[in-house]
Amino acid sequence: DAGVTQSPTHLIKTRGQQVTLRCSPISGHKSVSWYQQVLGQGPQFIFQYYEKEERGRGNFPDRFSARQFPNYSSELNVNALLLGDSALYLCASSSTVTSGANVLTFGAGSRLTVL
Amino acid sequence: GNSVTQMEGPVTLSEEAFLTINCTYTATGYPSLFWYVQYPGEGLQLLLKATKADDKGSNKGFEATYRKETTSFHLEKGSVQVSDSAVYFCALSRKTGANNLFFGTGTRLTVIP
Repeated sequence: DAGVTQSPTHLIKTRGQQVTLRCSPISGHKSVSWYQQVLGQGPQFIFQYYEKEERGRGNFPDRFSARQFPNYSSELNVNALLLGDSALYLCASSSTVTSGANVLTFGAGSRLTVL
Repeated sequence: GNSVTQMEGPVTLSEEAFLTINCTYTATGYPSLFWYVQYPGEGLQLLLKATKADDKGSNKGFEATYRKETTSFHLEKGSVQVSDSAVYFCALSRKTGANNLFFGTGTRLTVIP
């Protein structure tokens, strides 16, 4: 089975532009989460979706938005890009949203560079 | 709030040396605790986990014990290999509500032959 797949793997944008990142979860997983990993830091939680509904949101501005489709794939959108948005964006999938035995499986990420 | 404090790196060890990476946490209630590893150019991989006090997670020779009294989850390995060179992240998630992870800043380990 394929793991979590993300696209594109790398992209370069300029300040003020908009970007869309895509994620396909592991087959059978209904939850998708997005994390931002700035160079040299740990990942920071952005969003979680389960069954197409937002179930959690981190401390990010409204320029960040996401959605989940009926096939459980997801898109992360960032508007009005800033230099500080340059980061590795990680998508993770899980079968549920309950914790305890919760295990997130991460994709390889989309590396965004904002010039 | 929920947070993880991780030992600052980078850490450089010779092959077969003993490894300890310290991790302490702050959380409301009793969270689940994780160690993730990130190899160059790759995403995060779950290394091990523990869900309650005194649980020991283990995988690939790595171990970590959930210590409630010291709010710690230190990662250890008795004999590291060159292939263990990577960045290691300690993380926690709450047991109720959204299961998002709170990560530490990561510790880069380099093992030299």
